[in-house]
Amino acid sequence: EAGVTQFPSHSVIEKGQTVTLRCDPISGHDNLYWYRRVMGKEIKFLLHFVKESKQDESGMPNNRFLAERTGGTYSTLKVQPAELEDSGVYFCASSWTSGSAEQFFGPGTRLTVL
Amino acid sequence: AQKITQTQPGMFVQEKEAVTLDCTYDTSDPSYGLFWYKQPSSGEMIFLIYQGSYDQQNATEGRYSLNFQKARKSANLVISASQLGDSAMYFCAMREVSGGYNKLIFGAGTRLAVHP
Repeated sequence: EAGVTQFPSHSVIEKGQTVTLRCDPISGHDNLYWYRRVMGKEIKFLLHFVKESKQDESGMPNNRFLAERTGGTYSTLKVQPAELEDSGVYFCASSWTSGSAEQFFGPGTRLTVL
Repeated sequence: AQKITQTQPGMFVQEKEAVTLDCTYDTSDPSYGLFWYKQPSSGEMIFLIYQGSYDQQNATEGRYSLNFQKARKSANLVISASQLGDSAMYFCAMREVSGGYNKLIFGAGTRLAVHP
């Protein structure tokens, strides 16, 4: 069974540009989470989807970030326009149910904004 | 607010020896879960072990065990018989249950280096 996949693995863009990150959860997992780790800091929660609905988006830093999960399968996270402080590693995780003990993480997307 | 603290930015251990990675947490929620993840240099986050707040026994998974001391609010990870492949970042995390749904709160991580 395939794990959580993320694309791209790395992205280097200039300030002001737009970047879209993609996450494919484990098949059948209704719950999808986005996290990010800014350099040298803790991994922070961004938002949580249950199927196609945003259950909790309290961690989204500002309105330059837009997450979608059309059809309740894969999810995209768009940053527009990107700023220098958006650089970091963006992780996606999925779980069977909201109460699942384990969230399975993807390999992350390393975003560098120059 | 819930918080996870990992006070050891880096740790060194000799191969085949045991090592303890510290984690303390703060929460007012009586129901919570504690996790340890390993992040090798390749970047992926690998789930290691889970401890529920109501679990009576400390969790164990192979060479990993969690020393859960509820009164002290600590959940230290013990790795026995360290191997070179254990060199990685280790993150302690707590499940924050808000409205019945889960998000993880992470500590800053501990970088473990295993020496031959």
